[in-house]
Amino acid sequence: GENVEQHPSTLSVQEGDSAVIKCTYSDSASNYFPWYKQELGKGPQLIIDIRSNVGEKKDQRIAVTLNKTAKHFSLHITETQPEDSAVYFCAATRAQKLVFGQGTRLTINP
Amino acid sequence: KAGVTQTPRYLIKTRGQQVTLSCSPISGHRSVSWYQQTPGQGLQFLFEYFSETQRNKGNFPGRFSGRQFSNSRSEMNVSTLELGDSALYLCASSLNPAGGQETQYFGPGTRLLVL
Repeated sequence: GENVEQHPSTLSVQEGDSAVIKCTYSDSASNYFPWYKQELGKGPQLIIDIRSNVGEKKDQRIAVTLNKTAKHFSLHITETQPEDSAVYFCAATRAQKLVFGQGTRLTINP
Repeated sequence: KAGVTQTPRYLIKTRGQQVTLSCSPISGHRSVSWYQQTPGQGLQFLFEYFSETQRNKGNFPGRFSGRQFSNSRSEMNVSTLELGDSALYLCASSLNPAGGQETQYFGPGTRLLVL
């Protein structure tokens, strides 16, 4: 079955700097890769997703890149703000079964 | 449009009891998936329902079961509760008209504590 590895587990950056979180997946048949942000006491919130026929997608300060050959995808957050502090999860799927990475706790230092 | 709602939000049970959690998907969404979130195991897929049928299942024991109603609302049941079942149970819904890679939207979860 699918296995998703996510790094780093914790990340601390200065406000205004960029943050990058990386994930690798094992199942070459996976074709949908969402990223979720989870704040304390809340459910995961979709922030961006990418499908296997696309190499890069951007939405304002957030971008995701996908390398199908290497089976890895990354989340890039630029100009970080205090409200970006949260736990971020990557996931991979080829049906409706999302397989999640272990999460990255991102802290933005003022 | 209202988001995914889950009830109850918090629940305390004792070992051996059973529990039923409820999920109402976003209006028009026909697929409902359930996930268990724990600090040690992270987010793990339990099962997915579409048109009242279980379409996918994760690697959980038979004590975990679910169902979906004709209005797409879903319930999950855990029987003979164990301490290790303490977790945040998340429900997610998607449109999924023909299967495939549809965005899943999560509810706030039900936090279950087993004593």
